[in-house]
Amino acid sequence: NFMLTQPHSVSESPGKTVTISCTRSSGSIASNYVQWYQQRPGSSPTTVIYKDNQRPSGVPDRFSGSIDSSSNSASLTISGLTTEDEADYYCQSYDSSNFWVFGGGTKLTVL
Amino acid sequence: QVQLVESGGGLVKPGGSLRLSCAASGFTFSDYYMNWIRQAPGKGLEWVSYISRSGSTIYYADSLKGRFTISRDNAKNSLFLQMSSLRAEDTAVYYCARVTISSGWLIDYWGQGTLVTVSS
Repeated sequence: NFMLTQPHSVSESPGKTVTISCTRSSGSIASNYVQWYQQRPGSSPTTVIYKDNQRPSGVPDRFSGSIDSSSNSASLTISGLTTEDEADYYCQSYDSSNFWVFGGGTKLTVL
Repeated sequence: QVQLVESGGGLVKPGGSLRLSCAASGFTFSDYYMNWIRQAPGKGLEWVSYISRSGSTIYYADSLKGRFTISRDNAKNSLFLQMSSLRAEDTAVYYCARVTISSGWLIDYWGQGTLVTVSS
């Protein structure tokens, strides 16, 4: 089994750029796609990045995803931060043994 | 538009049972794999169970130890989760969620969730 580890919280100022990491404990980060979900308080999660770096329609291009095999991690980068970006962000990956594995979530504060 | 509407949550005593339902609309339900995902109060997301399009393939999280049963009725566009021997740690919002394999096993739509509270 593998785990995905995220920082518990990050904070940044409006207009700045923030990066949230997601580190895979075992197995290669590149072996299975990584998705990123945004969950605003009181709402259901929505997808902001899928298949490592793809944006669903309607998600602004301020959101981008990447993977780094050297650190065995995925990253979600949000540029031009606004207060609307304040939310919890979850990474998730899938494999045929562990099925859907979620990171613990990162609370983004824009202050 | 895609809609997933859960129902059946509520307060149940430890050891009790509950059946959750999810009504799907806005897409061809029988074409999609489905999941149940849960989120304990103030905690992260946890995958619970998966069912294939026909219902022939089913998976569960190891932590459930045979207490939950997922099923679907494609004729009624409905997904179910039968939960038994409920424990306090099963207290959570339970989400019905659609899976799109072509997008990397992405959970592309989520319901609004139904709250299950296990307490005496």
